[in-house]
Amino acid sequence: KAGVTQTPRYLIKTRGQQVTLSCSPISGHRSVSWYQQTPGQGLQFLFEYFSETQRNKGNFPGRFSGRQFSNSRSEMNVSTLELGDSALYLCASSLGTPNTGELFFGEGSRLTVL
Amino acid sequence: GQQLNQSPQSMFIQEGEDVSMNCTSSSIFNTWLWYKQDPGEGPVLLIALYKAGELTSNGRLTAQFGITRKDSFLNISASIPSDVGIYFCAGLLAQKLVFGQGTRLTINP
Repeated sequence: KAGVTQTPRYLIKTRGQQVTLSCSPISGHRSVSWYQQTPGQGLQFLFEYFSETQRNKGNFPGRFSGRQFSNSRSEMNVSTLELGDSALYLCASSLGTPNTGELFFGEGSRLTVL
Repeated sequence: GQQLNQSPQSMFIQEGEDVSMNCTSSSIFNTWLWYKQDPGEGPVLLIALYKAGELTSNGRLTAQFGITRKDSFLNISASIPSDVGIYFCAGLLAQKLVFGQGTRLTINP
């Protein structure tokens, strides 16, 4: 059974640009969550999608957005990049219901903003 | 928002030693989980706890869900080199999973 796949693994952008990250969940999983990981802030919850609907949202500005497609694949977008957006962005999938907190994480997309 | 206080932030131990780390919160959680992250990879679930007072083992790992539902601890017995990594506690409340800041474990052979 294939795990959670995130693309791209590494990317470099400059301030003001926008970026789109992709996540393919484990087959059969309907929930996809996104987290931002930085050395200073740890793992911060961005949002969760379940059956193409945003079910939960963290405390990030509107520059951070996401969506989920009918095949459960998800994308997140960050517009008008800032230096502080440099981080490892982790995607995690789960069955979604019931919500047990048992997540399967991908290896992450490491974003560097210059 | 809810915050989890995880301690210690880092540990340096000798191979074969036992390890203990814990997580506390001012909020009550319905579920506590422990994840481990190896370098260059995403976190992997180690143990999930669903009832206050629950004590669960997974090999050399043992975790407990505190009676007050505001804390949890993880013990690792007889540490081995592959135990190196960052351990995260996580609490589930109102459909949101909140993570602690992590405990970085380093083992001297």
